[in-house]
Amino acid sequence: LAKTTQPISMDSYEGQEVNITCSHNNIATNDYITWYQQFPSQGPRFIIQGYKTKVKNEVASLFIPADRKSSTLSLPRVSLSDTAVYYCLVGFGEKLVFGTGTRLLVSP
Amino acid sequence: DAGVTQSPTHLIKTRGQHVTLRCSPISGHKSVSWYQQVLGQGPQFIFQYYEKEERGRGNFPDRFSARQFPNYSSELNVNALLLGDSALYLCASSRDRGSWNEQFFGPGTRLTVL
Repeated sequence: LAKTTQPISMDSYEGQEVNITCSHNNIATNDYITWYQQFPSQGPRFIIQGYKTKVKNEVASLFIPADRKSSTLSLPRVSLSDTAVYYCLVGFGEKLVFGTGTRLLVSP
Repeated sequence: DAGVTQSPTHLIKTRGQHVTLRCSPISGHKSVSWYQQVLGQGPQFIFQYYEKEERGRGNFPDRFSARQFPNYSSELNVNALLLGDSALYLCASSRDRGSWNEQFFGPGTRLTVL
């Protein structure tokens, strides 16, 4: 069964690092893990993508262990504008499955 | 470069009716995917089309169908609408098929079924 699981919500303060984990036990061998950010009434926006080990770009890092059954999105020094819902998207062969979503609230 | 566009932005239908939603991908993108997002939930995968053929299908009934045209734009059709079909319908385009391709999402079509 293709399924991805995330924590429902997380709270943080400005300037802190936030780590959000996604579990995807049955990910297909050739498929990637992608993370998206979504604000209310908007389409999801790409953050970062990876296959294994660690990937980093100007806004986030992505850690994927060797068994690839989970992945962790790391947001360094969050700001108020990072308050949003974060989703992992995992390929399971011909299907693309979004995680359950994590609502991040950043407070001053 | 224009992003992914969807039409209409909002739509109100009654139970039993039929609806057609449209999506224009980013220029050069050959793959279009459709998602249903019920309020408060994550997007659910409906279809992926690549080069005018269906390449993936989620767990949706046969009332849902789609097609992709030679210019790579796409239509999502839903027949015999149910109240539970009320949702934000998202279209995403990517250069190629496969999960390694970044998907670019449109703003969505908000469908309300009364």
